[in-house]
Parts: sequence; structure tokens; C-alpha cells
Amino acid sequence: EAQVTQNPRYLITVTGKKLTVTCSQNMNHEYMSWYRQDPGLGLRQIYYSMNVEVTDKGDVPEGYKVSRKEKRNFPLILESPSPNQTSLYFCASSPLSAGRNEKLFFGSGTQLSVL
Amino acid sequence: QQQVKQSPQSLIVQKGGISIINCAYENTAFDYFPWYQQFPGKGPALLIAIRPDVSEKKEGRFTISFNKSAKQFSLHIMDSQPGDSATYFCAALSGGSYIPTFGRGTSLIVHP
Repeated sequence: EAQVTQNPRYLITVTGKKLTVTCSQNMNHEYMSWYRQDPGLGLRQIYYSMNVEVTDKGDVPEGYKVSRKEKRNFPLILESPSPNQTSLYFCASSPLSAGRNEKLFFGSGTQLSVL
Repeated sequence: QQQVKQSPQSLIVQKGGISIINCAYENTAFDYFPWYQQFPGKGPALLIAIRPDVSEKKEGRFTISFNKSAKQFSLHIMDSQPGDSATYFCAALSGGSYIPTFGRGTSLIVHP
């Protein structure tokens, strides 16, 4: 089954404790990205990657890191989480059709709470 | 600055009715306008999309209407069903950008 898999589904942590949220896709998509979803704010892109070793900032990159060492994996790293990073996070991938990331496939989300 | 304004924030319709969600944008460089549907506990899923060279696109009960001059586009759900109850996001993408701009979402409830 074609899918984007995120783990964990729920995560509670404390301020300053480094954490990683994993994301993996089995569709051989070139493009992968991370979003955060906050009530009343919709979806905002954190980082994206066009291919292995190619990453770039989205609209809200502060406080986050990413890496793309393999095509299928795109982990999101919070080196020193703060309470304002409490949010619902989604990983998404897309094939690049004519160079465009027009069809996003989303994972099921990771609900992060930073105390 | 909110580049894609979505309304209403919430919408309640009766089964069989028409649900209408509107989005407006400012950036004339946007050239691709998808709608995503999100059920509780799930990630968004692409529902339907339109490019500005057409004024309407229909897929089953879902229709996008696009007004380029007004910089507005809307999603119409005909014969709304309780299974359509979800949050709907409009989005926009411009050529050369890999950062979609999403509206803030509309929570749709369809009563049986």
C-alpha cells in the first residue's frame, strides 16, 4: 500500500529535550516536506526537500532541523523543543510532475506536546 | 500576511444540501489551486484541483469554480452527505515555488 508513515503518533516531552519525528514514504517520491497544523492557522510548511541531500526552508523553519540522507526518509528534528512547538505535525511527499509538487500525500500526523 | 483567505471557518448543512466554501488570494503568480479534505485523526488528502485556464472543474459531487479576475475560487459539494463531514483546506501554488500556501480550513458538518 502506498503510504507516508510517521512515528510516533503522539509524543509528550519537556522543554529542551531533543526529539526526532520520523517520516518514511514508499512511493519513490522526490519531494518531501513537513507541516505544522495549529487551530485557526491551517497548515504551514516547515521544511521541504527536493531530493537526497537537498533541503530548504519553508514558512516556519525556526527551531527545526531536517535531513534527507535517503530518498524514502525525511526526519524532523527538534534540538531544543519549546512549548510554542506544541502542535500537530504532518509529513507529506509528492511526485514531481513537470517539476511541480502538485499532489501531496500526507502521513497521519504526530501530535506533539512540549511541557 | 495571510495569502489565501478561506471562509467560512465552520459550516453546517443538512444532508442533501449544497456546501460552499470560498477562498480568495492576492498573489497573481498562483497557478495551481488544490483542495484537500481532512477527516479527524487523519492527514489531509487531495480532493480536487484546478488551474486558472478553466473556470470550473467537476469530479462527481465536488466542483471547483474559479474566478480569475476576482482572484477567488470555491468548492461546491452537491448533495452533501454525512460522510463529507471533514475539514477542507484550499491551497495555492505558484510556479517556481515549492511552498504551498494553505487557507485556514473550514470545518464542515453534514447533519443526517
